[in-house]
Amino acid sequence: GEDVEQSLFLSVREGDSSVINCTYTDSSSTYLYWYKQEPGAGLQLLTYIFSNMDMKQDQRLTVLLNKKDKHLSLRIADTQTGDSAIYFCAAGKSTFGDGTTLTVKP
Amino acid sequence: DTEVTQTPKHLVMGMTNKKSLKCEQHMGHRAMYWYKQKAKKPPELMFVYSYEKLSINESVPSRFSPECPNSSLLNLHLHALQPEDSALYLCASSQVEQGKGYTFGSGTRLTVV
Repeated sequence: GEDVEQSLFLSVREGDSSVINCTYTDSSSTYLYWYKQEPGAGLQLLTYIFSNMDMKQDQRLTVLLNKKDKHLSLRIADTQTGDSAIYFCAAGKSTFGDGTTLTVKP
Repeated sequence: DTEVTQTPKHLVMGMTNKKSLKCEQHMGHRAMYWYKQKAKKPPELMFVYSYEKLSINESVPSRFSPECPNSSLLNLHLHALQPEDSALYLCASSQVEQGKGYTFGSGTRLTVV
């Protein structure tokens, strides 16, 4: 079945860019997603990318998709302390990575 | 209204109790989902309803019983749960089942004692 892998932790300084990486095994998902989860809260959809796109930009967020390598990344520009959270990469509705905990230091 | 509302936010129940979790959305979405999330883990899909019909049941034990009374409401009936069922239960919705994105509620934190 589908598998999605992410690195577990990322720590950056406020104002720097953050890059969270994800790899997936199955290319059949039409959309790939990035979600943010803050402590005690549900998941917030940050952005999604259609599987035939290479890049999508939405304000501070840039998603890159390398279909050949089955690699997805999320870049957050000018990272703020409010961006500290767990970020999940997902393929379709049921396959999530284990989440990357982003810590932003002042 | 761009939200998925879940009630209650917290629930403590005994192993012999019967309780229900409720989920509501008024975005006109025709697919609704239940997920279970244990601490520091990703969500696990439990059930999918598409146009008020059960589309997917991910081999969930029968002590969890979903119900979709109409296109805006989704319930999860709980009976004879075990302590290991304690988790955050998340409801989500999307325009259709293979949609462009899923809107999640803030969840019900369930503790089984």
